[in-house]
Amino acid sequence: QVQLQESGPGLVKPSETLSLVCTVSGGSMSNYYWSWIRQAPGKGLEYIGYIYYSGTTNSNPSLKSRVTLSVDTSKNQFSLKLTSVTAADTAVYYCAGRKVTSAYWYFAVWGRGTLVPVSS
Amino acid sequence: QSVLTQPPSVSGAPGQIVTISCTGGNSNIGGGYDVQWYQQLPGTAPKVLIYGNSNRPSGVPDRFSGSKSGTSASLAITGLQAEDEADYYCQSYDIRLTAVVFGGGTKLTVL
Repeated sequence: QVQLQESGPGLVKPSETLSLVCTVSGGSMSNYYWSWIRQAPGKGLEYIGYIYYSGTTNSNPSLKSRVTLSVDTSKNQFSLKLTSVTAADTAVYYCAGRKVTSAYWYFAVWGRGTLVPVSS
Repeated sequence: QSVLTQPPSVSGAPGQIVTISCTGGNSNIGGGYDVQWYQQLPGTAPKVLIYGNSNRPSGVPDRFSGSKSGTSASLAITGLQAEDEADYYCQSYDIRLTAVVFGGGTKLTVL
C-alpha cells in the first residue's frame, strides 16, 4: 500500500518561495505520476501539476510560471516550489499519485495534506 | 469560478437517493474526457469514489454510482447513510486549459 507524507515549513512570508516535499513509501516511484493539489480554506480543489520519476512534468497553466516540480528517486521523494507567494496561496497542499498503468486520470493515493499559511 | 459546475449543496434523509451533477463543456466532459468523483470527509484528504465515469475502486460500496452524458456527469448515492455526509468533487481533464480540472464541490447533508 503506497503512502504519502507531505513536509514543509509551517509558514511562508509573502513574496517568498513555498517549498514542500512529499515522501513516498510502500511502493515504486515508477508506478505513479506524482501530483500536487491544493485547497484554500473553505474552497475547492486546485490541480497544481505532476512529475514522473523520469523528470517529465506538467503544470496548471494558471500557476506554471511560478511552479517548479522535481523528483529525487534515491530518497523516494518529489518536491514542489512555488515562487512569489501571496495570501491567495494559503492552502492545504496535498501530494497525490495517479497510477501509470491506469487508462484513467484519477488520483488513487493521497497524502494527508499540510496547511501552508502565507503571512508576514 | 470552476471549469466544472456543481451545486453547492444537496441534502437527503437516511435511506433516500441523492444525485450530484457536474456540468462542463466541449473542452472537457463533452470532449470525451472521463469524469472522476471524490469524497472528502471533514478534515481529511479526498478519496476516489468513481473513476472513468462509472467505475468503482475496490472497497467503495455499490451505493455509489456514476454516469456521464454529453457535457455532464452525475454521482448517485442510494440508501443514504449518516456517514455519507461529506464534500463531493468531480474531476476531469480540459484540453483547452491542458490541465486536470475539478468542480467546485458539493456539500452533502444527511438530514
